[in-house]
Amino acid sequence: GAVVSQHPSRVICKSGTSVKIECRSLDFQATTMFWYRQFPKQSLMLMATSNEGSKATYEQGVEKDKFLINHASLTLSTLTVTSAHPEDSSFYICRGTGLNTEAFFGQGTRLTVV
Amino acid sequence: AQSVTQLGSHVSVSEGALVLLRCNYSSSVPPYLFWYVQYPNQGLQLLLKYTTGATLVKGINGFEAEFKKSETSFHLTKPSAHMSDAAEYFCAVMRYNTDKLIFGTGTRLQVFP
Repeated sequence: GAVVSQHPSRVICKSGTSVKIECRSLDFQATTMFWYRQFPKQSLMLMATSNEGSKATYEQGVEKDKFLINHASLTLSTLTVTSAHPEDSSFYICRGTGLNTEAFFGQGTRLTVV
Repeated sequence: AQSVTQLGSHVSVSEGALVLLRCNYSSSVPPYLFWYVQYPNQGLQLLLKYTTGATLVKGINGFEAEFKKSETSFHLTKPSAHMSDAAEYFCAVMRYNTDKLIFGTGTRLQVFP
């Protein structure tokens, strides 16, 4: 079945550096990719929605300059956390959906900023 | 605005016992409702969903949920818990006319031998 492959599964970075998270859709074209953040023992909060070839739409309170989203192709969307700080440490999950397909979650990325 | 509320952040049951995870929704339009399961450090797996039609929805791993409009509820049940059911469970509603999911706060299910 269709799958969204998310990498890396875990990443540790130094404060002030940038981290890129990739989500690739396998066996389907992800026209839309949703990006979620999940803090420990909390629910998933939608950060932004990206449509292939368009600028992402960010939810209220999410800094678009800090969380850069690129969705240049129907099979790849990326989230870059720029100038990461410890408070950005979280679990980031993507969810891809296409035309006439179910939506699929990636496996998630555990980001730790030290 | 649409939302879901999950009552009980933790539920503990014995292996073989009934599992009941509660979810109530708020929506001014007919909702699309979902239950997802999340194992530690993993993404979410769809258990079941309700869109239209039959109000009792059967999902994977023996789970089912019933949409009750009069009670604005979509509780998840399983007749007999298995150790492998221990995980975090999320109820979600789809924002009207979009593909966006709004999640509840989650319920951690523990299963004791």
